[in-house]
Amino acid sequence: GNSVTQMEGPVTLSEEAFLTINCTYTATGYPSLFWYVQYPGEGLQLLLKATKADDKGSNKGFEATYRKETTSFHLEKGSVQVSDSAVYFCALSDQAGTALIFGKGTTLSVSS
Amino acid sequence: EAGVAQSPRYKIIEKRQSVAFWCNPISGHATLYWYQQILGQGPKLLIQFQNNGVVDDSQLPKDRFSAERLKGVDSTLKIQPAKLEDSAVYLCASSLDRTDEQFFGPGTRLTVL
Repeated sequence: GNSVTQMEGPVTLSEEAFLTINCTYTATGYPSLFWYVQYPGEGLQLLLKATKADDKGSNKGFEATYRKETTSFHLEKGSVQVSDSAVYFCALSDQAGTALIFGKGTTLSVSS
Repeated sequence: EAGVAQSPRYKIIEKRQSVAFWCNPISGHATLYWYQQILGQGPKLLIQFQNNGVVDDSQLPKDRFSAERLKGVDSTLKIQPAKLEDSAVYLCASSLDRTDEQFFGPGTRLTVL
């Protein structure tokens, strides 16, 4: 079945450091890929998405590129801020519009 | 535009008791989802509705969990009887249709003692 694997956390960075959170997936066909973010005390929010191979999703300085050859969708940001501290979830949905399948989440903690 | 509403936000019960959660999706959204998020894990789908019909309930423990979406609008999820392992955050999400972006509510944190 379909699945998502993302790097274990927590990830601890200083402000302005470069961020990479790895995400790989297993799926048949051509799923859509997502990154969701959960800030402390808040609900899940869509951060970015990509619906086909080589698409790049971007939002708030975060980027992720849909790589079909490596079945990956790694999240990157060039310069993190304290306000980026949150839990990040990689997820996929297949072409038929099934519900999201999530990874376990990666906690990011950014200090000033 | 109002977001997805859920209540209660927190609930503590004893094992073998019953509990119910309520969700009001964004107006006009046809698809509604209930997810279970156990501490340290990603959300896992329990049930997906399209209007008032069930699309996927393959991961719903039907011996104790039930859900309904009367009139294709708001929804309730019930657990009866609760077990310790049901302690989790229960998330409701809705989308305009099945292939559209899902919007999540704040969740209900359930603690079973």
